[in-house]
Amino acid sequence: KNEVEQSPQNLTAQEGEFITINCSYSVGISALHWLQQHPGGGIVSLFMLSSGKKKHGRLIATINIQEKHSSLHITASHPRDSAVYICAVTGSNYQLIWGAGTKLIIKP
Amino acid sequence: KAGVTQTPRYLIKTRGQQVTLSCSPISGHRSVSWYQQTPGQGLQFLFEYFSETQRNKGNFPGRFSGRQFSNSRSEMNVSTLELGDSALYLCASSLILGGRGEAFFGQGTRLTVV
Repeated sequence: KNEVEQSPQNLTAQEGEFITINCSYSVGISALHWLQQHPGGGIVSLFMLSSGKKKHGRLIATINIQEKHSSLHITASHPRDSAVYICAVTGSNYQLIWGAGTKLIIKP
Repeated sequence: KAGVTQTPRYLIKTRGQQVTLSCSPISGHRSVSWYQQTPGQGLQFLFEYFSETQRNKGNFPGRFSGRQFSNSRSEMNVSTLELGDSALYLCASSLILGGRGEAFFGQGTRLTVV
C-alpha cells in the first residue's frame, strides 16, 4: 500500500461543477502539499498546509491531521483547471512522499 | 523574481551516451531536488542538494549523479543512457532543506533516449 493515496485517479466534470480531490496518508507528517501539473509538464505549488484550511481564489485545501486526510476543492470549475493535481507529504525524515496524482478534465 | 530555470527543455540522446541537465534555482534558495517522471508514473525522487552537499538520495543506480555549485545551481548527470531513462526530469528549489519548505519547480527537461 502506498503511503500517500489519492482519489479519484481520474475525474471528468462539466464547467461550473464543484470539484473535490482527496488525499489520504499513512505516515506522520509535518506538512502536506498540493501541486498542479499542466500537460506541458511544469509543476506549480498550490498549497502547503499543516492544519486547518487554506483558500486561494477558487481553490480550497483542507487537512484533518487526526484522520490523516486532506481534500482539495475547486469551486466554479473551468476548463483551464484541467491538469493533474498531486498531493505530497513531508514525512518524518523531511523528504517529500508523493501521491500518484489525479487527472482532472473540465469540459466546457 | 525569476523562477526555477531548467536547461535544456528537450533532449534526444542515444543509448550508451551520457547527458547533463542543469537547474538554476530561485535566487536565495539553497536546496535543489531532482525528480524523474515517466509516463503514467508519479514523481520519483532522485536526490537533493543543499549548500553544495548531497543530503538525500533516492533509489536510483549510480549512473545517476549530481552536484551543486556555490551559486546553488545544480547539474544532474546520467551516464550510459538506457531506453528506460526516457522521462521528464524536474528540479525543484526551496529555501530550506527537505520537504519542510514550499517547493518551486522548473518546467522540466524532457529526455528521450533512442
